[in-house]
This record gives sequence, C-alpha cells and structure tokens, in this order.
Amino acid sequence: RKEVEQDPGPFNVPEGATVAFNCTYSNSASQSFFWYRQDCRKEPKLLMSVYSSGNEDGRFTAQLNRASQYISLLIRDSKLSDSATYLCVVNGAQAGTALIFGKGTTLSVSS
Amino acid sequence: ETGVTQSPTHLIKTRGQQVTLRCSSQSGHNTVSWYQQALGQGPQFIFQYYREEENGRGNFPPRFSGLQFPNYSSELNVNALELDDSALYLCASSLGDRDQAFFGQGTRLTVV
Repeated sequence: RKEVEQDPGPFNVPEGATVAFNCTYSNSASQSFFWYRQDCRKEPKLLMSVYSSGNEDGRFTAQLNRASQYISLLIRDSKLSDSATYLCVVNGAQAGTALIFGKGTTLSVSS
Repeated sequence: ETGVTQSPTHLIKTRGQQVTLRCSSQSGHNTVSWYQQALGQGPQFIFQYYREEENGRGNFPPRFSGLQFPNYSSELNVNALELDDSALYLCASSLGDRDQAFFGQGTRLTVV
C-alpha cells in the first residue's frame, strides 16, 4: 500500500463547480498534513495545512479524519486559475523523513 | 518568491556521467530536503540535511549523495547517471523538519 494515496484524475469541471479531492495515508503516527498545489512544470506551493478541526481559506476547505486516516480538499466556485495538480502531503512520522507526497490529482477548469 | 534558489534550472547529461545540483536555502532555514519528481508522479524524498548532517534518507541508492554547508546551502550529487534519473529535482528549505517547507523552482535533469 502506498503511504499517501489520492483520487486518480483528471477532474474536468466547468467554472463555478464544486470539486472534492480525497486522500488516504497509511502511517497512523503521521503528525502534519498539507495540500500543495503544483502548476505545470513548476515547483509545489503550499495551499493550506490541514487540521483535525477542519480549516477554511476562502473557497478552499480542508478536513482531516485521523481515525480513518483520510484527508479531503473541497474547492467551491472553481475558477480557471484553479487548474493545476493538487498534491496531498503528509509529514513523515519519524524525524528526518520530511514530506511524503501523493501522486497528485489534476484539475482542469473550463469556461 | 520563496527565497529558495536552485541551479542550474535545466541540464542535459549523458548516461554514466556525474552531476551536481545546487540549492540556496531561505535565510534562517537550517534544514534542506531534496526530492525527485518523475513525470506524472509526486515528489519522492531523497534525503534531508539538518545543520550540515544527513538526518534522513529515502529509498535512493548510494550514488545519490549530498552536502550541506555552514551557510545551510546544499548540493545533490548523482554518480553514474541512468536514464531513469531524468526528472525534476526539487530542493525545499525549512526551519526544522516539522516546519513548513518552501520549494525552489527545481532543476530539470535530462539523461540521454
């Protein structure tokens, strides 16, 4: 089983749609959770951290369920500029293991 | 801009050659991690340096090696290049391995 697994893509949605990405992780000792965004041929950039209480940043909402080892990202009112690959990321449980990335899910928003 | 810079941005090497990639970390960050991202995949952890010492390593062979310097900049060295080493190599700096990581723009290595 992969350490971080994401929904297979791509997701093709019209502008204004709501889209949800799901992710599961295998190591229950993992401590920190993130969603990164990566544009084509660019470096990953932190979109938001994910907390057990859930957190929202504008049109983006992230949720963490530790019991199910499940992370989600909801994007409301999709914009053309949201088109990118979204990477689910978990901090390694052991010191020095850095970040563990999922394969990524590609979102394409069309007009 | 993250303040993390990598050089070169693009590189073409021949199979069997050696390559050195460089990373300047964000000011004040003492931890540098290196990742390999093959086409269509998520970044894979290579290793991490904290205050000039390697303190974690992913599932990469010994021909992948690195250094961190007193100013916390870092190098990634790859010996005996193979075609499968073609990828985007990303450097990320942070203050400790639990803090938010900031990525450089990456070095795109092509091995022919």
